[in-house]
Amino acid sequence: AQSVTQPDIHITVSEGASLELRCNYSYGATPYLFWYVQSPGQGLQLLLKYFSGDTLVQGIKGFEAEFKRSQSSFNLRKPSVHWSDAAEYFCAIPQGAQKLVFGQGTRLTINP
Amino acid sequence: ETGVTQTPRHLVMGMTNKKSLKCEQHLGHNAMYWYKQSAKKPLELMFVYNFKEQTENNSVPSRFSPECPNSSHLFLHLHTLQPEDSALYLCASSHAGLAGFTGELFFGEGSRLTVL
Repeated sequence: AQSVTQPDIHITVSEGASLELRCNYSYGATPYLFWYVQSPGQGLQLLLKYFSGDTLVQGIKGFEAEFKRSQSSFNLRKPSVHWSDAAEYFCAIPQGAQKLVFGQGTRLTINP
Repeated sequence: ETGVTQTPRHLVMGMTNKKSLKCEQHLGHNAMYWYKQSAKKPLELMFVYNFKEQTENNSVPSRFSPECPNSSHLFLHLHTLQPEDSALYLCASSHAGLAGFTGELFFGEGSRLTVL
């Protein structure tokens, strides 16, 4: 079955620094892939999605992600983080027609 | 109201109590979901409803009983829960069907459940 793995449980970066969160997927064909963000005390919100075509995907809040088939990866990036980016980030992949399976999540802490 | 609304936001119950969580969506979607989020586990899909019909039950114990009276409302009835059931329960909605599912789920803010 399709799955995603987020190797980093917790990442700390300084405000203004660049960010890369890792996501690896397991799927034989070209997958649909998603990144969601969960701010403290909130539900999840879609940041961006990849279906096909251009492998560099732009999302909301200045985030982007790059699909790399050779590495089975879909890493999330941001050139300069803001304190408001502190949150938990989830990579996700569909399983079947109606089910979305999430990775374990990466908690992002921002140092002032 | 817009989006997905969950009530109550916080619930404390004893193991012998019966309570319910409510979810309402105002997005015109036809699929609704319950997810469980625990401190040390990934998000776990519990149930999926499409056009009011249950299409997925992810081996959830019978002490959790979902109800979907229409495409806009979803309930999770709770009875004789265990302390390990303490978690954040998230409701989500989406467009339904193979052609309509884009992978975009719209989540509520969750109901934080504590079982004593």
